[in-house]
Amino acid sequence: DIQMTQSPSSLSASVGDRVTITCRASQSINNYLNWYQQKPGKAPKFLIYAASSLQSGVPSRFSGSGSGTDFTLTISSLQPEDFATYYCQQSYSTPYTFGQGTKLEIK
Amino acid sequence: QVQVVQSGAEVKKPGSSVRLSCKASGSTFTSYTMHWVRRAPGQRLEWMGWINAGNGDTKYSQKFQGRVTITRDTSASTAYMELSSLRSEDTAVYYCAREVLVVSKRGYYYGMDVWGQGTTVTVSS
Repeated sequence: DIQMTQSPSSLSASVGDRVTITCRASQSINNYLNWYQQKPGKAPKFLIYAASSLQSGVPSRFSGSGSGTDFTLTISSLQPEDFATYYCQQSYSTPYTFGQGTKLEIK
Repeated sequence: QVQVVQSGAEVKKPGSSVRLSCKASGSTFTSYTMHWVRRAPGQRLEWMGWINAGNGDTKYSQKFQGRVTITRDTSASTAYMELSSLRSEDTAVYYCAREVLVVSKRGYYYGMDVWGQGTTVTVSS
């Protein structure tokens, strides 16, 4: 199975900050990398596919990059509604696997 | 607007089975692949398997092979996930999610774009 490792596991930031979350795959997954946002008690929300393409309706302050084994999710200017947990997920091969999550908290 | 609505919370004894449902509305059910994903307390999201709602083909995570069965009822636009031989470690929130396929110049990309609200399964003696 492909292991996905995110860093950091948690992050404190303020509204307006720029934040970056990193995701590393245990082997090359080309650009078959998705990002999801999950808020407490809610289902995950699909943000980004193909490592860098925004899902319809996702604000442009979200961006993704990377290929191969190393990927990043960047939020250019944090908004109050962005405080949540973020997961990367590889769709290169089954079993699809997720990172352990990065909890983004208000400083 | 596509919606996915899951069945209610379950409390089960170790060794028993649980069957969860996931009803899709607002789209052609048989056009989609439905995934099941769970999140145990303090753990990461974990993919369990999928079903092609059109032809009934399934794919399971090896971790759950032999214990999980995903089926569908096209007349009811509903997918089901049955997990047997339950143990305490199966206590989790279980989600179903619709697969989306995006075709771009760079290739074919799969994600899960519409999720159910989740079903809490508690396994306890």
